[in-house]
Amino acid sequence: QSALTQPPSASGSPGQSVAISCTGTSSDVGGNNHVSWYQQHPGKAPKLIIYEVSERPSGVPDRFSGSKSGNTASLTVSGLQADDEADYYCSAHGGSGVFGGGTKLTVL
Amino acid sequence: EVQLVESGGGLVQPGASLRLSCAASGFTFDTYWMAWVRQAPGQGLEWVASIKEDGSEKYYLDSVKGRFTISRDNAKNSVYLQMDSLRAEDTAVYFCARDSGWHKLDYWGQGTLVTVSS
Repeated sequence: QSALTQPPSASGSPGQSVAISCTGTSSDVGGNNHVSWYQQHPGKAPKLIIYEVSERPSGVPDRFSGSKSGNTASLTVSGLQADDEADYYCSAHGGSGVFGGGTKLTVL
Repeated sequence: EVQLVESGGGLVQPGASLRLSCAASGFTFDTYWMAWVRQAPGQGLEWVASIKEDGSEKYYLDSVKGRFTISRDNAKNSVYLQMDSLRAEDTAVYFCARDSGWHKLDYWGQGTLVTVSS
């Protein structure tokens, strides 16, 4: 049940794109397509924004996209907006649930 | 509208017990796994426990095994987390979440704060 590895911070200017990585092992990220991403604003509950590596729930803008290569998944936020400033967490299924340590995205 | 409302948090001393509840509405409760996830102050998310639709399978974070028990009452559309032998490191906001499969947590409650301190 080791946590997935995410960079602690990322940043970009409005309109730009930023990618956040999530590295696991062949037992979780690399072992199936059950990778999810969550957005959390301060003091709020997390919100699912990507599931099954690259699927978006209804209502999530297509500016948010996901991908995976081997044991590393990535979340890309395009056309950065001020409201995208939040913490982002990846999650994978590897027998039990496991989250990444989180990435604080700053919109400059 | 799907709603999850947690309750039962509070301030307790180390070694004490606490029972969290999560009342669900807006969906067919007994067709979904449910999960508890916690977040220590200023820290990241940590999955704590999950329970199958009929309660027949339960999974726990290693550090809470033997101390925490997840359960559900499908007649009351509720899931619970019984926390015994609480430690300072269990201090966190505890979220209840609906698991739509393979740890896809698509709906979350607002969380309830548990503080373990003497």
